[in-house]
Parts: sequence; structure tokens; C-alpha cells
Amino acid sequence: DQQVKQNSPSLSAQEGRISILNCDYTNSMFDYFLWYKKYPAEGPTFLISISSIKDKNEDGRFTVFLNKSAKHLSLHIVPSQPGDSAVYFCAASLRGAQKLVFGQGTRLTINP
Amino acid sequence: DAGVIQSPRHEVTEMGQEVTLRCKPISGHNSLFWYRQTMMRGLELLIYFNNNVPIDDSGMPEDRFSAKMPNASFSTLKIQPSEPRDSAVYFCASSIRGGYTFGSGTRLTVV
Repeated sequence: DQQVKQNSPSLSAQEGRISILNCDYTNSMFDYFLWYKKYPAEGPTFLISISSIKDKNEDGRFTVFLNKSAKHLSLHIVPSQPGDSAVYFCAASLRGAQKLVFGQGTRLTINP
Repeated sequence: DAGVIQSPRHEVTEMGQEVTLRCKPISGHNSLFWYRQTMMRGLELLIYFNNNVPIDDSGMPEDRFSAKMPNASFSTLKIQPSEPRDSAVYFCASSIRGGYTFGSGTRLTVV
């Protein structure tokens, strides 16, 4: 039972344009959401997060949007750069819980 | 700080053999997590420890998998006997106050 789902295994975008990665979740009790980025042969690294009390969080070129009614979050990267090519994982946690539930990941390729 | 250290980086073994994966968490981190990455399911939590005590092992696939954390600086994940379907990348992560740091993973291939 996949509680966090990333339905796009891969996507591509042009350098300088916007990249949008999507994530859906099924457990309405999740209250904290995160995005991790993973390069080949490395472990995932934290990118950006958002609490369920907010609907948007921005950090430089990265913005995460949360739509609680739709149980959906998205990561926007503007402008996209070649170094953004990586696998992106969406993750969620319950209030007070230490463990993170991850999605399947989306491989983003930025084309020059 | 050397980060979370996992060994070996790659492991190729024959079906039926015992495999032991190792993890050294970041000093001072009080939680340790073992995840498995597969194409179909992404990153799955296998087990996690808090202050060296196993808290949640509901993700451990079956009795062939076991994990230990004998002290704050070392953990092992053992598969005995190994099967081809265990082939995956296994990640260890440690955290304190919720901030995860992942190791570089062990790529396991069971032939």
C-alpha cells in the first residue's frame, strides 16, 4: 500500500524553464512533507520541506506547494539548471513520528 | 564529520548466501533508519532504531531479514538466506530532531 505516490517515473525540461514534480498522498494524518534529491551513487539529500499549516514554501529556485484538500504537493524549480538533473523523492511524516514515508521517485532530466 | 558511512558499497552474492550490510551513523544522532530502494516502491523503510532500540520493524520483508544496533555507532542489516529478489540499493540514515542524513548506500546483487 503506497501511501506516498509519485506517478511520473521520469520527466524532462529545458534549461532555464520551469520543472514541476508532483506527489500525491493518501494518509490525511500526514502533517509534514519533504523533498529529497538524489544523484547517482549517492544517498538522498534534503531539499525543501513544508508543514501542513502552510500551502507554500520557497527557497531560492525551489518552491513547494501543498494542496491538503487534494492530498497533493508539487515541487517547482525555476529556472531549471543542468545540475538539477537527479531523482527527486517526495516524503511525508505523521505528527511526532520520526519515520519518513517516501514515494517511488521521479527522474528529472534538464536538457540544454 | 564523515557523514553516515555504509559498507560495502557494492555486494554481489549467490542465492542462499548470508549478506551483512554495515552502517556507522553520525556521532550524536540518536535515530537510525534502514531503507531499501527499488524501482517499483521507491524508498521503503525496513526498520528504525531510537537510542539503539528497535522501534518499528514492520517494513522488514520477512524472517530472512534481521537488524541490530549493538551500540550508538554501529548497525548491521543481515539477510540470510539471500534471494535474487533482495537485489536493491540499501540505505542507512541517521537523524537527530528529524533531520535525516543518508549514507551512500550498498548496492546488493543476488545472483
